[in-house]
Amino acid sequence: DARVTQTPRHKVTEMGQEVTMRCQPILGHNTVFWYRQTMMQGLELLAYFRNRAPLDDSGMPKDRFSAEMPDATLATLKIQPSEPRDSAVYFCASGSPAGGPYNEQFFGPGTRLTVL
Amino acid sequence: QQQVKQSPQSLIVQKGGISIINCAYENTAFDYFPWYQQFPGKGPALLIAIRPDVSEKKEGRFTISFNKSAKQFSLHIMDSQPGDSATYFCAASIGGYALNFGKGTSLLVTP
Repeated sequence: DARVTQTPRHKVTEMGQEVTMRCQPILGHNTVFWYRQTMMQGLELLAYFRNRAPLDDSGMPKDRFSAEMPDATLATLKIQPSEPRDSAVYFCASGSPAGGPYNEQFFGPGTRLTVL
Repeated sequence: QQQVKQSPQSLIVQKGGISIINCAYENTAFDYFPWYQQFPGKGPALLIAIRPDVSEKKEGRFTISFNKSAKQFSLHIMDSQPGDSATYFCAASIGGYALNFGKGTSLLVTP
């Protein structure tokens, strides 16, 4: 049963702490996306990768957020230092190269982050 | 700046009725328009998608209607069921990659 996995599922931390969220895309998928969901802003794209190379991270606050793909099976999103306004659900999604780019993005279950 | 505007914010429909959710966009470069369904505590999942070369696409009880000249598209759920109660997001992208989502519609189908 191929699915995107994300860890941790829930994270509560204090302002100023570093937060690392991990995502394992579906095996064979070559595009990975990070989205953030809040009540006020809805779903926002933070960054995305194709073949592990960052294509666009314009949605990410550069001073505190960073996204990487150390290898094809792992994507990470880090926040340092974290702030209360970063509280949100962070979703990772992956997509397959088969058939071109107009393919379904498969979302993981999300990491619910609360920054106190 | 919200590139895709979605309405209504919430919708209550009786079982067996038709649910209609509307979206509008400005960027004429968008060429892929998916709808995602999200249940509480879950990630969004693709429901149905359309490219602008067709005006309608139907999959089971779900239909997308697309009006290129008006830059609008809508989701119709026929014979709505309580199990359809979820949040629905329209989205648009260029080249099928980065999705620009609407703010979502919370649908409740009453028995």
